[in-house]
Amino acid sequence: VQLLESGGGLVQPGGSLRLTCAASGFTFSTYAMNWVRQAPGKGLEWVSDISGSGHSTFYADSVKGRFTISRDNSKNTLYLQMHSLRAEDTAVYYCAKRSSFVSGPMDVWGQGTTVTVSS
Amino acid sequence: EIVMTQSPATLSVSPGERATLSCRASQSVSNYLAWYQQKPGQAPRLLISGASTRATGIAARFSGSGSGTEFTLTISSLQSEDFAVYYCQQYNNWPLIFGGGTTVEIK
Repeated sequence: VQLLESGGGLVQPGGSLRLTCAASGFTFSTYAMNWVRQAPGKGLEWVSDISGSGHSTFYADSVKGRFTISRDNSKNTLYLQMHSLRAEDTAVYYCAKRSSFVSGPMDVWGQGTTVTVSS
Repeated sequence: EIVMTQSPATLSVSPGERATLSCRASQSVSNYLAWYQQKPGQAPRLLISGASTRATGIAARFSGSGSGTEFTLTISSLQSEDFAVYYCQQYNNWPLIFGGGTTVEIK
């Protein structure tokens, strides 16, 4: 079971970025997936959740309206489209698998991809 | 929004000693409470789910207890590899919320 994030980098304030998480070793479509971030030297912050089917999505207030979570079950891939990026979005972004179709703890984590928002 | 409060922020413990970490929810989360361990430069790792069920491969020295609003993670005899940051997280309600973390350091 493996999750591999990519797509991080340096972006200017107001810019956009799309993160990708490639999943392997499990039946991707049967599990909800999340994005969790960690600002430098800070704790964990849940960002977004998507059900196994992709029909249900949830967002933290801090990113609602700016970030969009999606998935392509045919490609075993999770995405996070980020727009209107701010300095406070600077963080390591982890994708994490939940333990069931719609809920449960985060039982598998990727190694993270770093997003830096700076001019 | 539920607030998850972990205490203490830092716990200094000698190897072989017992460590007790607390997590308090501002409202009941039933037993939908997980504990994670994070070492420097690494992703978090699930230790405990359902407040008291060890995840696959987690050593028996880790145990969780509690329900409702008060939860405890106990490490019965600290090993060198256990010095890390520990987070609790509720998954009963949206938004999902993590506690601020407890750093377990070598005394």
